[in-house]
Amino acid sequence: EAQVTQNPRYLITVTGKKLTVTCSQNMNHEYMSWYRQDPGLGLRQIYYSMNVEVTDKGDVPEGYKVSRKEKRNFPLILESPSPNQTSLYFCASSFWGATEAFFGQGTRLTVV
Amino acid sequence: GQNIDQPTEMTATEGAIVQINCTYQTSGFNGLFWYQQHAGEAPTFLSYNVLDGLEEKGRFSSFLSRSKGYSYLLLKELQMKDSASYLCALTNMVTGGGNKLTFGTGTQLKVEL
Repeated sequence: EAQVTQNPRYLITVTGKKLTVTCSQNMNHEYMSWYRQDPGLGLRQIYYSMNVEVTDKGDVPEGYKVSRKEKRNFPLILESPSPNQTSLYFCASSFWGATEAFFGQGTRLTVV
Repeated sequence: GQNIDQPTEMTATEGAIVQINCTYQTSGFNGLFWYQQHAGEAPTFLSYNVLDGLEEKGRFSSFLSRSKGYSYLLLKELQMKDSASYLCALTNMVTGGGNKLTFGTGTQLKVEL
């Protein structure tokens, strides 16, 4: 089954404790990205990757890191989480060009 | 930059037709998407318009006018399961590697009996 898999689905952590949210896709998509979704603000892009070893900042990259060592995986790293990073996070992937994006199930992160 | 406007909420009756509007301002327009998102779940693709006109897909249709910066999503024969948020999103070949989706804040549709 074609899918984007994120883990964990839910996470509560404390300020400053490094964490990684994993994302994996099995559709051989070149393009992957991370979004956060906050009430009243909609989905905003954090980082994106056009292919292996090619990543760039989206609209709200501060406090986040990513890597793309393999085509299928695109982890999101929070080196020192803060409460303002409490949000619902989605990973998405698609083929190159303006094509349909497939989203992961979401990760609800709470930083206390 | 890009700016997208959608109504925040709409209510409609089961079996009826509802039109959800989206207006936008952008440079480097490449295409307009509609996604459906149930509460707490992932957005799922509904439709994509790159040229002016109407795209029909079962109970869902989407219209685009690039000259007016306007799109709408038309839902027919509404069902209770259509209660969800509907997201209008633009792609722009100039930014984000061409695949970047810029989303509106979404229209929360409530279908009532």
